[in-house]
Amino acid sequence: DGGITQSPKYLFRKEGQNVTLSCEQNLNHDAMYWYRQDPGQGLRLIYYSQIVNDFQKGDIAEGYSVSREKKESFPLTVTSAQKNPTAFYLCASLAARTSYGYTFGSGTRLTVV
Amino acid sequence: GENVEQHPSTLSVQEGDSAVIKCTYSDSASNYFPWYKQELGKRPQLIIDIRSNVGEKKDQRIAVTLNKTAKHFSLHITETQPEDSAVYFCAASMGGWSGQGAQKLVFGQGTRLTINP
Repeated sequence: DGGITQSPKYLFRKEGQNVTLSCEQNLNHDAMYWYRQDPGQGLRLIYYSQIVNDFQKGDIAEGYSVSREKKESFPLTVTSAQKNPTAFYLCASLAARTSYGYTFGSGTRLTVV
Repeated sequence: GENVEQHPSTLSVQEGDSAVIKCTYSDSASNYFPWYKQELGKRPQLIIDIRSNVGEKKDQRIAVTLNKTAKHFSLHITETQPEDSAVYFCAASMGGWSGQGAQKLVFGQGTRLTINP
């Protein structure tokens, strides 16, 4: 998937459950991002990370958590504190200093059941 | 922070006609403006981008124009074809790695473009 892989493609969450979305890249990109997309809306930034073991909140970080233990991986956990988690989640990556454009993963569609 | 407004939210044009989508941004420090195309259920794909030292950029049937003074930029698609039907997003950021950290793209709300045969 163009060097950045998201899994699973579809995910169902029960009320009160935490779920983790996977994002892996083999592009040797430094920065990684998580965006949320709701129908009829643009992409909103949840969290991003410039380097390993460091990450910053985006515009809608409440109810989400991330980790960046390896350069290649940036998993997103949707916690039970996120009251409206049903959305399409997109991961992206970017090389430092040499590129201006994101590479996106193919997305994970999360549904609360 | 940056805010990006995109219009229209939906656009329907006849095949072969031109389509124009417009965006405005708020942060005069923004210097990188990409456009993404997203087909249903798929990832956004970069189709063209422009940096603030350039006023216009073309790639075959697609062009982007930038007016830094007015803080707006536009996507122009000529000779539209059915495969151009998709949702288009504009975005803005300070390109590259600024002192504030990694580039963060702020996206517009999207335009659903439909090409009618």
